[in-house]
Amino acid sequence: GAGVSQSPSNKVTEKGKDVELRCDPISGHTALYWYRQSLGQGLEFLIYFQGNSAPDKSGLPSDRFSAERTGGSVSTLTIQRTQQEDSAVYLCASSLNEGNTEAFFGQGTRLTVV
Amino acid sequence: GQNIDQPTEMTATEGAIVQINCTYQTSGFNGLFWYQQHAGEAPTFLSYNVLDGLEEKGRFSSFLSRSKGYSYLLLKELQMKDSASYLCAAINDYKLSFGAGTTVTVRA
Repeated sequence: GAGVSQSPSNKVTEKGKDVELRCDPISGHTALYWYRQSLGQGLEFLIYFQGNSAPDKSGLPSDRFSAERTGGSVSTLTIQRTQQEDSAVYLCASSLNEGNTEAFFGQGTRLTVV
Repeated sequence: GQNIDQPTEMTATEGAIVQINCTYQTSGFNGLFWYQQHAGEAPTFLSYNVLDGLEEKGRFSSFLSRSKGYSYLLLKELQMKDSASYLCAAINDYKLSFGAGTTVTVRA
């Protein structure tokens, strides 16, 4: 696609429910990143994919968080048993390859846990 | 790990110049990015430095000193639309890590 696409743009969920956030990177981009941004805060690194593999999962906050990427393209971030502190904007970015190339960001998914 | 520091806020007058400093401590450093983020929007790429020195791009310039672990973003001829958060980010092999961002407010 022309840019990084994320869906849904907004998600309100009840505490304890599971949510899935989707990221569709720019076609041909092998590197994909997930970040979390709380209100007024910087970008917190969650996970990185190179192709379908995730060499670095160190940023995932807890075992309630998981992510996968299939076909070297679409990625899904899943949060199980959501908590109020999970409320944030979840941003996805992709770049042509790992390392020294510009990362393009999607518009993010604003998650609100009530 | 990576530690990236930048000031929280800066205020400047329309038409003036502002310099946003960023210091980083990281292993396997490969390069330094600057991104701009307007409130409620996604970050957008401004500049990338891999070698020491100054990269100029219109009203925006970015400088890097690898030996000092230091970078700055220089915004010249400030316009009201430049009011935004400016994010410094260091890349380490593959991991792109961001500072907390500097909120720049441009006043008339």
